[in-house]
Amino acid sequence: AQSVTQPDIHITVSEGASLELRCNYSYGATPYLFWYVQSPGQGLQLLLKYFSGDTLVQGIKGFEAEFKRSQSSFNLRKPSVHWSDAAEYFCAVGPQTGANNLFFGTGTRLTVIP
Amino acid sequence: ETGVTQSPTHLIKTRGQQVTLRCSSQSGHNTVSWYQQALGQGPQFIFQYYREEENGRGNFPPRFSGLQFPNYSSELNVNALELDDSALYLCASSSQQKYNSPLHFGNGTRLTVT
Repeated sequence: AQSVTQPDIHITVSEGASLELRCNYSYGATPYLFWYVQSPGQGLQLLLKYFSGDTLVQGIKGFEAEFKRSQSSFNLRKPSVHWSDAAEYFCAVGPQTGANNLFFGTGTRLTVIP
Repeated sequence: ETGVTQSPTHLIKTRGQQVTLRCSSQSGHNTVSWYQQALGQGPQFIFQYYREEENGRGNFPPRFSGLQFPNYSSELNVNALELDDSALYLCASSSQQKYNSPLHFGNGTRLTVT
């Protein structure tokens, strides 16, 4: 069965500090992995995706994520958080066939304090 | 490039009524997917439309139905509304011709069922 686990419901970091959001997945085939960000009252914006190749992927807004097959993880990182990064972050997994039925985690809410 | 647009932004309906939500896909995209996001949860896949036909469905009852039009826009219809249908409904588009084309989401329609 497919599933995505984001173990941290809420994370608070100081502006300028580093950030790591955890994501573990369970998927029956080679996964297509995503991180999306959602600001209050908004839709989802794609931060980055992993399909194949280099396991460290770069995204927008200075975010990166590393795919670790042995740990079934796809953690999101940012070296220095900005106040504008406060939002809800969702990890998602989907098939590599091009179908769009993604499975999302329950999200991690990020609070940034000055 | 025009993004994904959804209408209306907010809607209040009474239990038992029917509702229609609308979505215009991003220019160049021919596939539309619909997701339901309950409060505090990640989005859940409802279904996907390609070439005006449903070609993937999540675990939602038949009272959730949809349409895709020749211009790739789409509608989501929900009959016999229940209180649990209260959620943010997200539309996402992608290009079936581009392998690994990620989903681009609209800002959603907030449906409240009373």
